[in-house]
Formats: sequence, C-alpha cells, structure tokens
Amino acid sequence: AQKITQTQPGMFVQEKEAVTLDCTYDTSDPSYGLFWYKQPSSGEMIFLIYQGSYDQQNATEGRYSLNFQKARKSANLVISASQLGDSAMYFCAMREFMNSGYSTLTFGKGTMLLVSP
Amino acid sequence: ETGVTQTPRHLVMGMTNKKSLKCEQHLGHNAMYWYKQSAKKPLELMFVYNFKEQTENNSVPSRFSPECPNSSHLFLHLHTLQPEDSALYLCASSQDTAGVEADTQYFGPGTRLTVL
Repeated sequence: AQKITQTQPGMFVQEKEAVTLDCTYDTSDPSYGLFWYKQPSSGEMIFLIYQGSYDQQNATEGRYSLNFQKARKSANLVISASQLGDSAMYFCAMREFMNSGYSTLTFGKGTMLLVSP
Repeated sequence: ETGVTQTPRHLVMGMTNKKSLKCEQHLGHNAMYWYKQSAKKPLELMFVYNFKEQTENNSVPSRFSPECPNSSHLFLHLHTLQPEDSALYLCASSQDTAGVEADTQYFGPGTRLTVL
C-alpha cells in the first residue's frame, strides 16, 4: 500500500504567487516525521522542511511552510512568493522505522512545479 | 568539499562491464544510503549503512554490491547489469537513524547510469 500520496503530477503558478503542493500519508506509528525535498533538473535532492508528528506548530523555513493536519494525515507544502528558480520536482517523504530499529525515508511520486514569469 | 559528493556524475556501461560508484560525505554523519530513481517511479531505497554496518538491504539483486569502508565513504559496485538498471543513483547521509526524530538525509548530486 502506498504510504505517501502526492496526487498532483504537475502544478503551474505565476511568479510571485503562492502555491500549495499536496501530500497525504498513511502510518500507524505514533511517532513519525515528514519531510519535503526539491529536485531541480540537475538531479540533486535538496532538503526543504521537516515536520515532527508531535510538533504543535506548523514548520516554516523562509518562503516554505508546511500545513500539517494530523487528523487528516496531510502535510501540504506551501511556497509563498514563487520564484522562477522554484521550478523543480517536489517530493514528500515520511520517516519510517525498519525491522532493524533504524529509520529511513519513504518517498511519494513527486509533483512537478513550473513557475512562469 | 562540502556536503555529499558523488562520482562519476554520468556513466555509460555495457552489460558485461564492472564499474563502481563512489559517494563521500563531509558532514560527519554516521549513516549512509543508496537510492535508485527510475523514470516515473518513486525513489527506491537500496541499502542503508549505520556506523559502517549494513542495516538494510531492500531486496536488491546481487549484481549491485555495496561497500562502506568507513562512515565517510560508500561505494556501489556494479557488474553484469541489465538495461532496466539504467537510472539515477543517489547517495545520502544522515547523522544517525536510531532514535533521532528529525534525522534529515542530505543527498549528493547523483550518478546518471545508462546500461547498454
């Protein structure tokens, strides 16, 4: 079963506008972490923002904020004042514990964001 | 050098070749990872190393052989690959995957592999 769902294969936004990228997740663990990464065409995955399951407030990092709705199991990324350089693939990921006791990340399929002038 | 580096950035190999991918992290982290990213598929975890010990092998075929000589270096040895192995191979590192709530993985630029 898919644990991270990103339902928007592609999104378009005009420069300087805000955009929301959707992410829903599925887990039975009481403690988990949610991450967003940006992947430009160069290929490198760039960490953007983190939200812990017990965090009372939504995470913010500069122009990035995370709209965390725990009851709905959603962790949407909001990018304010979009810039041309924001054009990239965006991945939502969830930290999971493996049988070994260590944790790793499970990624969604991603959303391609295109920012137009 | 800072962050996570990977070499080579691009690699073309035949099915009978043997090659290696190299990853180096300069962040003082204790965990390292190999991921495979194929077109139109989510990132797939391949291997995880914690303190030089392999802690996860995500059912990866034996034609992929990882090696972690120390916490800063990670290799992926490739032999008798198939065309469907063509993908972007990403290396990542994190501080420590056990018991750290916000254990963030930092990625290298990847090696784009083409198998002919």
